[in-house]
Amino acid sequence: AAGVIQSPRHLIKEKRETATLKCYPIPRHDTVYWYQQGPGQDPQFLISFYEKMQSDKGSIPDRFSAQQFSDYHSELNMSSLELGDSALYFCASSSRLAKVGYTQYFGPGTRLTVL
Amino acid sequence: QQQVKQSPQSLIVQKGGISIINCAYENTAFDYFPWYQQFPGKGPALLIAIRPDVSEKKEGRFTISFNKSAKQFSLHIMDSQPGDSATYFCAANAGKSTFGDGTTLTVKP
Repeated sequence: AAGVIQSPRHLIKEKRETATLKCYPIPRHDTVYWYQQGPGQDPQFLISFYEKMQSDKGSIPDRFSAQQFSDYHSELNMSSLELGDSALYFCASSSRLAKVGYTQYFGPGTRLTVL
Repeated sequence: QQQVKQSPQSLIVQKGGISIINCAYENTAFDYFPWYQQFPGKGPALLIAIRPDVSEKKEGRFTISFNKSAKQFSLHIMDSQPGDSATYFCAANAGKSTFGDGTTLTVKP
């Protein structure tokens, strides 16, 4: 079965640079979520989109922005990167039409390292 | 404020034993309670999930017990295997997922 695809899998940036992370949800899934996971921590919700509109917002810094496109893929844009942004970034997708409701399926993650 | 509290932080079980991880929540708006298994450097993988109108759900060696009045739920892993060694997260959903802090499970051969 198709899973959530994230790219790139690894990214190394310098402080103050920008980064763009991409997420391709499971086909026919209409909702995308972004999470940040620091070392030894649980995933922290950043932001979500349903049908290309922002549906919820968590602890996402103002330096970050995201959007969902017409093909349902999503991009997380991160500017003025700081050392503390180094983390695993996960995308998850779900379908509101599915019987299981909001079950979220996670992608493999993008490991961002800021030097 | 921690909305989902998970315990224990770490757990060591002998092969064949039962692993039990507990979670408690505060927000009654949560309407879906999944458990995830995560290996180092990998994304959380959905193990099993339950709705609050069900008291127990079993899938293979994994069982969720849910106590709505106490706002608690737990994961039981029967016949634990070394391959089960991973970090387990409970979560509570109201749209987005709110995760517990995770439990690192080590199953000794």
